[in-house]
Amino acid sequence: QQQVKQSPQSLIVQKGGISIINCAYENTAFDYFPWYQQFPGKGPALLIAIRPDVSEKKEGRFTISFNKSAKQFSLHIMDSQPGDSATYFCAASTNFGNEKLTFGTGTRLTIIP
Amino acid sequence: DSGVTQTPKHLITATGQRVTLRCSPRSGDLSVYWYQQSLDQGLQFLIQYYNGEERAKGNILERFSAQQFPDLHSELNLSSLELGDSALYFCASSDLAGAFEQFFGPGTRLTVL
Repeated sequence: QQQVKQSPQSLIVQKGGISIINCAYENTAFDYFPWYQQFPGKGPALLIAIRPDVSEKKEGRFTISFNKSAKQFSLHIMDSQPGDSATYFCAASTNFGNEKLTFGTGTRLTIIP
Repeated sequence: DSGVTQTPKHLITATGQRVTLRCSPRSGDLSVYWYQQSLDQGLQFLIQYYNGEERAKGNILERFSAQQFPDLHSELNLSSLELGDSALYFCASSDLAGAFEQFFGPGTRLTVL
């Protein structure tokens, strides 16, 4: 019940396109859903996060869509750029993020010219 | 730069040995989390400390232990090392009051030969 399932495992998108990564969870106690971006040799960096009281959050080219009834959330990267090529992890936590993060398995995103 | 520092960056050791990984949280952050990242297990929560006290435990092996010191830095001790302990070990910190986001350090890459 603690799992967070992430798909796809890898994704190739053309420059300027929209990258979409999906996650699903089972534990209804989760109330904080961040996305992390990780470059090779670096630690995960927080990209954007959402709480279940809103259905969408946008920061620049990055948008989280959240569907509480389906227990799913997704990351959309608009106008994808080669610099966005990285591994993306969704995660979930309880107590509004004051607890451990349960991570998805990661999506390796490659943006091609 | 997240403000979280970890040393050493790389560590190569032999099976059966013991190592200590060090983490300094962001200035003012009282909470420290340790995560392990491996190819087969992904990012897994190990243990959390808050202001010197253990707050939560994940699937941390009995051969592993951690502590948080009065100056808030934390150490993760790994003993009787096995080949399967080879992984990236990340420390993250948060202040648990308002800004609950977890900020990750650059990690320590442990290789057990």
